[in-house]
Amino acid sequence: NAGVMQNPRHLVRRRGQEARLRCSPMKGHSHVYWYRQLPEEGLKFMVYLQKENIIDESGMPKERFSAEFPKEGPSILRIQQVVRGDSAAYFCASSPFLGGPGSYNEQFFGPGTRLTVL
Amino acid sequence: GIQVEQSPPDLILQEGANSTLRCNFSDSVNNLQWFHQNPWGQLINLFYIPSGTKQNGRLSATTVATERYSLLYISSSQTTDSGVYFCAPQGGSEKLVFGKGTKLTVNP
Repeated sequence: NAGVMQNPRHLVRRRGQEARLRCSPMKGHSHVYWYRQLPEEGLKFMVYLQKENIIDESGMPKERFSAEFPKEGPSILRIQQVVRGDSAAYFCASSPFLGGPGSYNEQFFGPGTRLTVL
Repeated sequence: GIQVEQSPPDLILQEGANSTLRCNFSDSVNNLQWFHQNPWGQLINLFYIPSGTKQNGRLSATTVATERYSLLYISSSQTTDSGVYFCAPQGGSEKLVFGKGTKLTVNP
């Protein structure tokens, strides 16, 4: 069983460019989560998605950041007009949908994408 | 939201020693996970433990949800145990709330 896949593993962008980070969940998992780890800080939740639905985006910055999880294909975290403060490790996690709404299933993490903004 | 406090922030051990890492949280939780972030940055699942005790090899974990804490025990530590250990409870939503972690260094 392949784990959570993320690509690219490393991404370098200049200020003002766009960054697109991709995440393929584990087989059989229908829930995707994005977290960000800033240097010397812990991991912070950004957004929780199911196929074609954003369930909770309470951790997303109000501007420049967006996420999607289409019916087909990977989940995408998109950062427009990147700034130096966006440099961080971005982790994707996935979980199965067991037990119905209100169940809290184990989340499994991908290897992360390390974004560097020059 | 839930506040998470981990202690100690840093821990240095000699190989073969035992240790206990603590995670306190401020509110009732539906789930709690422990992770090891290795020196390459990868997050490895250790335990999914909303309550009770679980063991996996040299590691074990106990969560006492009514008293709002969880403990991670590492016995006979090895240099490969080095890294940062995070606890992450879930409260009223699906998001994991991470503590700042315990940085463990195991010296040969």
